[in-house]
Amino acid sequence: GQNIDQPTEMTATEGAIVQINCTYQTSGFNGLFWYQQHAGEAPTFLSYNVLDGLEEKGRFSSFLSRSKGYSYLLLKELQMKDSASYLCACKGGSYIPTFGRGTSLIVHP
Amino acid sequence: DVKVTQSSRYLVKRTGEKVFLECVQDMDHENMFWYRQDPGLGLRLIYFSYDVKMKEKGDIPEGYSVSREKKERFSLILESASTNQTSMYLCASSIGGEGNQPQHFGDGTRLSIL
Repeated sequence: GQNIDQPTEMTATEGAIVQINCTYQTSGFNGLFWYQQHAGEAPTFLSYNVLDGLEEKGRFSSFLSRSKGYSYLLLKELQMKDSASYLCACKGGSYIPTFGRGTSLIVHP
Repeated sequence: DVKVTQSSRYLVKRTGEKVFLECVQDMDHENMFWYRQDPGLGLRLIYFSYDVKMKEKGDIPEGYSVSREKKERFSLILESASTNQTSMYLCASSIGGEGNQPQHFGDGTRLSIL
Protein backbone atom coordinates (compact mmCIF):
# COMPACT_ATOMS: atom_id res chain seq x y z
CA GLY A 1 0.00 0.00 0.00
CA GLN A 2 0.91 3.64 -0.05
CA ASN A 3 0.95 6.33 2.61
CA ILE A 4 1.04 10.02 1.69
CA ASP A 5 1.33 12.65 4.40
CA GLN A 6 1.04 16.43 4.12
CA PRO A 7 0.03 19.16 6.57
CA THR A 8 -3.67 19.90 6.84
CA GLU A 9 -3.47 23.67 6.81
CA MET A 10 -0.92 26.45 6.40
CA THR A 11 -1.17 30.23 6.48
CA ALA A 12 1.14 32.80 4.92
CA THR A 13 1.29 36.47 4.04
CA GLU A 14 0.90 37.98 0.60
CA GLY A 15 4.32 38.45 -1.02
CA ALA A 16 5.99 35.82 1.16
CA ILE A 17 7.35 32.35 0.34
CA VAL A 18 5.72 29.14 1.58
CA GLN A 19 6.87 25.54 1.42
CA ILE A 20 4.33 22.71 1.51
CA ASN A 21 5.85 19.35 2.40
CA CYS A 22 4.77 15.88 1.36
CA THR A 23 6.22 12.59 2.59
CA TYR A 24 5.37 9.29 1.04
CA GLN A 25 5.89 5.58 1.53
CA THR A 26 5.27 3.42 -1.52
CA SER A 27 6.15 0.04 -2.89
CA GLY A 28 7.85 1.15 -6.07
CA PHE A 29 7.96 4.76 -7.23
CA ASN A 30 6.98 6.20 -10.60
CA GLY A 31 6.64 9.90 -9.98
CA LEU A 32 5.03 12.52 -7.79
CA PHE A 33 2.47 15.14 -8.83
CA TRP A 34 1.29 18.37 -7.27
CA TYR A 35 -2.18 19.74 -8.02
CA GLN A 36 -3.93 22.96 -7.02
CA GLN A 37 -7.61 22.97 -6.15
CA HIS A 38 -9.59 26.14 -5.51
CA ALA A 39 -12.75 25.77 -3.46
CA GLY A 40 -15.57 24.32 -5.53
CA GLU A 41 -13.33 23.72 -8.54
CA ALA A 42 -11.49 20.83 -10.17
CA PRO A 43 -7.89 20.05 -9.23
CA THR A 44 -5.44 21.35 -11.83
CA PHE A 45 -1.96 20.03 -12.54
CA LEU A 46 1.01 22.02 -11.23
CA SER A 47 4.12 19.85 -11.44
CA TYR A 48 5.63 16.39 -11.82
CA ASN A 49 8.87 15.02 -10.40
CA VAL A 50 10.38 11.62 -11.01
CA LEU A 51 14.09 12.39 -10.58
CA ASP A 52 15.73 13.96 -7.55
CA GLY A 53 16.04 17.71 -7.59
CA LEU A 54 14.16 20.90 -8.15
CA GLU A 55 11.76 21.66 -11.00
CA GLU A 56 10.97 25.34 -11.42
CA LYS A 57 7.93 26.80 -13.14
CA GLY A 58 7.59 30.51 -12.63
CA ARG A 59 6.56 31.28 -9.05
CA PHE A 60 6.08 27.56 -8.28
CA SER A 61 8.85 25.00 -7.78
CA SER A 62 8.71 21.37 -6.74
CA PHE A 63 11.47 19.31 -5.17
CA LEU A 64 11.93 15.57 -4.83
CA SER A 65 14.22 13.35 -2.77
CA ARG A 66 13.50 9.71 -3.57
CA SER A 67 15.88 8.39 -0.91
CA LYS A 68 13.99 10.33 1.77
CA GLY A 69 10.51 9.78 0.35
CA TYR A 70 10.02 13.53 0.43
CA SER A 71 8.78 16.30 -1.80
CA TYR A 72 7.89 19.92 -1.34
CA LEU A 73 6.06 22.57 -3.31
CA LEU A 74 7.54 26.05 -3.02
CA LEU A 75 5.36 29.05 -3.78
CA LYS A 76 7.13 32.42 -4.11
CA GLU A 77 5.73 35.96 -4.16
CA LEU A 78 2.45 34.72 -2.76
CA GLN A 79 -0.73 36.23 -4.13
CA MET A 80 -4.23 36.15 -2.65
CA LYS A 81 -5.33 33.91 -5.54
CA ASP A 82 -2.88 31.25 -4.31
CA SER A 83 -5.29 30.50 -1.46
CA ALA A 84 -6.33 26.95 -2.35
CA SER A 85 -5.79 23.32 -1.46
CA TYR A 86 -2.57 21.73 -2.69
CA LEU A 87 -2.69 18.01 -3.36
CA CYS A 88 0.32 15.72 -3.42
CA ALA A 89 -0.15 12.51 -5.44
CA CYS A 90 2.34 9.67 -5.71
CA LYS A 91 2.57 6.96 -8.36
CA GLY A 92 3.75 3.73 -6.88
CA GLY A 93 4.43 0.41 -8.53
CA SER A 94 0.87 0.16 -9.88
CA TYR A 95 1.21 3.45 -11.84
CA ILE A 96 -2.08 4.61 -10.34
CA PRO A 97 -1.58 7.80 -8.33
CA THR A 98 -2.55 7.90 -4.67
CA PHE A 99 -3.47 11.31 -3.25
CA GLY A 100 -2.61 12.81 0.09
CA ARG A 101 -5.37 14.55 2.05
CA GLY A 102 -4.38 17.96 0.74
CA THR A 103 -2.99 21.10 2.36
CA SER A 104 -5.28 24.10 2.64
CA LEU A 105 -3.22 27.26 2.15
CA ILE A 106 -4.63 30.56 3.38
CA VAL A 107 -2.89 33.71 2.15
CA HIS A 108 -3.43 36.89 4.23
CA PRO A 109 -3.08 40.42 2.92
CA ASP B 1 -7.28 21.89 -23.89
CA VAL B 2 -8.56 18.68 -22.38
CA LYS B 3 -12.17 18.83 -21.37
CA VAL B 4 -13.65 16.46 -18.83
CA THR B 5 -17.37 17.00 -18.43
CA GLN B 6 -19.49 15.63 -15.63
CA SER B 7 -23.20 15.56 -16.33
CA SER B 8 -24.38 17.31 -13.16
CA ARG B 9 -22.82 19.78 -10.72
CA TYR B 10 -25.41 19.07 -8.04
CA LEU B 11 -27.65 16.05 -7.56
CA VAL B 12 -30.10 15.10 -4.83
CA LYS B 13 -31.36 11.53 -4.60
CA ARG B 14 -33.16 9.35 -2.07
CA THR B 15 -31.89 6.37 -0.13
CA GLY B 16 -32.25 3.17 -2.12
CA GLU B 17 -32.35 4.83 -5.53
CA LYS B 18 -30.05 3.73 -8.34
CA VAL B 19 -27.89 6.70 -9.26
CA PHE B 20 -25.87 7.26 -12.43
CA LEU B 21 -23.02 9.77 -12.64
CA GLU B 22 -21.74 10.38 -16.15
CA CYS B 23 -18.35 11.58 -17.29
CA VAL B 24 -17.17 12.36 -20.81
CA GLN B 25 -13.68 13.36 -21.99
CA ASP B 26 -12.84 14.74 -25.41
CA MET B 27 -9.12 13.96 -25.75
CA ASP B 28 -9.11 10.25 -26.56
CA HIS B 29 -7.53 9.38 -23.20
CA GLU B 30 -7.12 5.72 -22.38
CA ASN B 31 -7.39 6.05 -18.60
CA MET B 32 -10.44 7.26 -16.71
CA PHE B 33 -11.00 7.44 -12.96
CA TRP B 34 -13.73 8.05 -10.42
CA TYR B 35 -12.86 9.56 -7.03
CA ARG B 36 -14.86 10.79 -4.09
CA GLN B 37 -13.62 13.74 -2.07
CA ASP B 38 -14.62 14.21 1.55
CA PRO B 39 -13.38 16.81 4.06
CA GLY B 40 -10.33 15.56 5.91
CA LEU B 41 -10.07 12.44 3.76
CA GLY B 42 -8.85 13.81 0.46
CA LEU B 43 -9.38 12.12 -2.89
CA ARG B 44 -10.12 8.41 -2.66
CA LEU B 45 -10.17 6.21 -5.74
CA ILE B 46 -13.38 4.26 -6.34
CA TYR B 47 -12.74 2.66 -9.74
CA PHE B 48 -10.59 3.23 -12.76
CA SER B 49 -10.51 2.02 -16.34
CA TYR B 50 -7.56 1.78 -18.71
CA ASP B 51 -9.52 0.76 -21.80
CA VAL B 52 -13.01 0.26 -23.15
CA LYS B 53 -14.89 -2.41 -21.20
CA MET B 54 -11.98 -2.71 -18.73
CA LYS B 55 -12.37 -1.73 -15.10
CA GLU B 56 -10.35 -2.09 -11.94
CA LYS B 57 -11.36 -1.57 -8.33
CA GLY B 58 -9.78 1.28 -6.46
CA ASP B 59 -9.52 1.71 -2.72
CA ILE B 60 -13.23 2.05 -1.91
CA PRO B 61 -15.34 0.22 -4.53
CA GLU B 62 -18.01 -1.11 -2.18
CA GLY B 63 -21.50 0.08 -3.10
CA TYR B 64 -20.38 1.28 -6.54
CA SER B 65 -20.03 -0.11 -10.03
CA VAL B 66 -18.82 1.41 -13.29
CA SER B 67 -19.37 1.10 -17.00
CA ARG B 68 -17.12 1.98 -19.91
CA GLU B 69 -18.80 1.06 -23.18
CA LYS B 70 -17.11 3.83 -25.19
CA LYS B 71 -13.63 5.26 -24.80
CA GLU B 72 -14.83 8.78 -24.05
CA ARG B 73 -17.46 7.90 -21.44
CA PHE B 74 -17.07 6.47 -17.95
CA SER B 75 -20.15 6.05 -15.78
CA LEU B 76 -20.31 5.57 -12.02
CA ILE B 77 -23.32 3.72 -10.67
CA LEU B 78 -24.57 3.68 -7.10
CA GLU B 79 -26.61 0.49 -7.08
CA SER B 80 -28.68 1.42 -4.02
CA ALA B 81 -27.78 4.85 -2.72
CA SER B 82 -27.12 5.29 0.97
CA THR B 83 -26.61 8.42 3.06
CA ASN B 84 -22.91 7.63 3.54
CA GLN B 85 -22.45 8.08 -0.19
CA THR B 86 -23.21 11.78 0.12
CA SER B 87 -20.02 13.32 -1.20
CA MET B 88 -18.26 15.24 -3.98
CA TYR B 89 -17.52 12.91 -6.90
CA LEU B 90 -14.69 13.75 -9.28
CA CYS B 91 -14.00 12.14 -12.62
CA ALA B 92 -10.55 12.30 -14.21
CA SER B 93 -8.82 11.12 -17.36
CA SER B 94 -5.23 10.70 -18.46
CA ILE B 95 -3.19 9.43 -21.35
CA GLY B 96 -2.31 5.75 -20.99
CA GLY B 97 1.16 4.35 -20.39
CA GLU B 98 3.59 4.66 -17.55
CA GLY B 99 4.89 8.17 -18.00
CA ASN B 100 4.47 11.60 -16.57
CA GLN B 101 1.00 12.32 -17.86
CA PRO B 102 -1.14 14.20 -15.34
CA GLN B 103 -4.79 13.58 -14.67
CA HIS B 104 -7.37 16.05 -15.96
CA PHE B 105 -10.38 16.47 -13.70
CA GLY B 106 -13.99 17.38 -14.23
CA ASP B 107 -15.66 20.05 -12.10
CA GLY B 108 -17.24 17.45 -9.83
CA THR B 109 -20.73 16.36 -8.90
CA ARG B 110 -21.90 17.18 -5.41
CA LEU B 111 -24.26 14.33 -4.58
CA SER B 112 -26.63 14.41 -1.62
CA ILE B 113 -28.47 11.27 -0.58
CA LEU B 114 -31.50 11.97 1.62
